[in-house]
Amino acid sequence: KAGVTQTPRYLIKTRGQQVTLSCSPISGHRSVSWYQQTPGQGLQFLFEYFSETQRNKGNFPGRFSGRQFSNSRSEMNVSTLELGDSALYLCASSLRQVEDTQYFGPGTRLTVL
Amino acid sequence: DQQVKQNSPSLSVQEGRISILNCDYTNSMFDYFLWYKKYPAEGPTFLISISSIKDKNEDGRFTVFLNKSAKHLSLHIVPSQPGDSAVYFCAASARKLTFGQGTILTVHP
Repeated sequence: KAGVTQTPRYLIKTRGQQVTLSCSPISGHRSVSWYQQTPGQGLQFLFEYFSETQRNKGNFPGRFSGRQFSNSRSEMNVSTLELGDSALYLCASSLRQVEDTQYFGPGTRLTVL
Repeated sequence: DQQVKQNSPSLSVQEGRISILNCDYTNSMFDYFLWYKKYPAEGPTFLISISSIKDKNEDGRFTVFLNKSAKHLSLHIVPSQPGDSAVYFCAASARKLTFGQGTILTVHP
């Protein structure tokens, strides 16, 4: 079974730009969660999607948004990029619920200059 | 407000000895706890979990202990192997996962 895939793996943007990251979950998984990892902060929960609906949201500004398609693939968008948005963005999928074992993708490393 | 804390940024252990990684939490609503391991350039991988109704769960060399009164959980790895060297994250669930900052474990041959 193929794992969680994320594209692109690396991205360099400048302040003020916007970016879209993509995540393809494991086949059959319907829950997709997004996390931001920065040094010293661990993994911070951004949001979770299930059946094309945002089910949970973390404490991030409205510049961070996402969506999920009918095939469970998910995208995350960050608008008006700031230097502090530089991070590793991880996507995780699980069968139905966040409490089910989450399988993580390799992440997208975003650098904002 | 860090609801899940791993107070030791790093831990160094000799091969064959026990590794003990600790995690403290503040939210009483957490009902499920997990440990993940992360190698560089890879996403975290699930290791072991424990429900709040239990106080211990074992899986091979890995054992997780939960002390609800102290709001503390720990991961024991026995015996430690060099391949265990990685960053370990604890996580707690109350409809969404909250992760600690991670502990870098180094197991020396």
